[in-house]
Amino acid sequence: DAGITQSPRHKVTETGTPVTLRCHQTENHRYMYWYRQDPGHGLRLIHYSYGVKDTDKGEVSDGYSVSRSKTEDFLLTLESATSSQTSVYFCAISEWGSGQNYGYTFGSGTRLTVV
Amino acid sequence: AQSVTQPDIHITVSEGASLELRCNYSYGATPYLFWYVQSPGQGLQLLLKYFSGDTLVQGIKGFEAEFKRSQSSFNLRKPSVHWSDAAEYFCALPLPGNTPLVFGKGTRLSVIA
Repeated sequence: DAGITQSPRHKVTETGTPVTLRCHQTENHRYMYWYRQDPGHGLRLIHYSYGVKDTDKGEVSDGYSVSRSKTEDFLLTLESATSSQTSVYFCAISEWGSGQNYGYTFGSGTRLTVV
Repeated sequence: AQSVTQPDIHITVSEGASLELRCNYSYGATPYLFWYVQSPGQGLQLLLKYFSGDTLVQGIKGFEAEFKRSQSSFNLRKPSVHWSDAAEYFCALPLPGNTPLVFGKGTRLSVIA
């Protein structure tokens, strides 16, 4: 969907380096989310935001930080990447926290490999 | 704790056959429930949702799901599967309050000729 874009789409990085993934939306939705997807685990929530500068942790937040200085951008940072953070990362947006009206809109994902 | 379980990791069906994907939930009240589909290399797309009212909900691509409170289930069905339905399917529900969705681990659907 054109309303949400993730960058980069693919990235290979070395262990111990910082990495920032970007999620950009044009829908003016209040809520934004970062999930990671791993085989056998489905999607697990890393962090989410319910407004500018308002964020909260998900179930797998260790090793990750986020920032939201503008409504349209939600950044996910791996301060010091580890091999266990090799994953596919998805950003999602919604008008409501549980997406009850229209569900979530997902980005196309970022495939991150930490070597 | 609230949770959602998809018992089947992988299902294979023949093209034209009917399909049922299972989803069981644990929740103290009537939950919102969702089904999403993910085609290979893509993000997730909303198939259908249940909030209240009619327990049989229709979605896109010819899918439907039935909410059964007595069985804590929200199974996804399609009467005749097409090869393009091969994908991974996720059931999801929010935790109490206006909170993010929790996803099941997914069911991968393969369609054979």
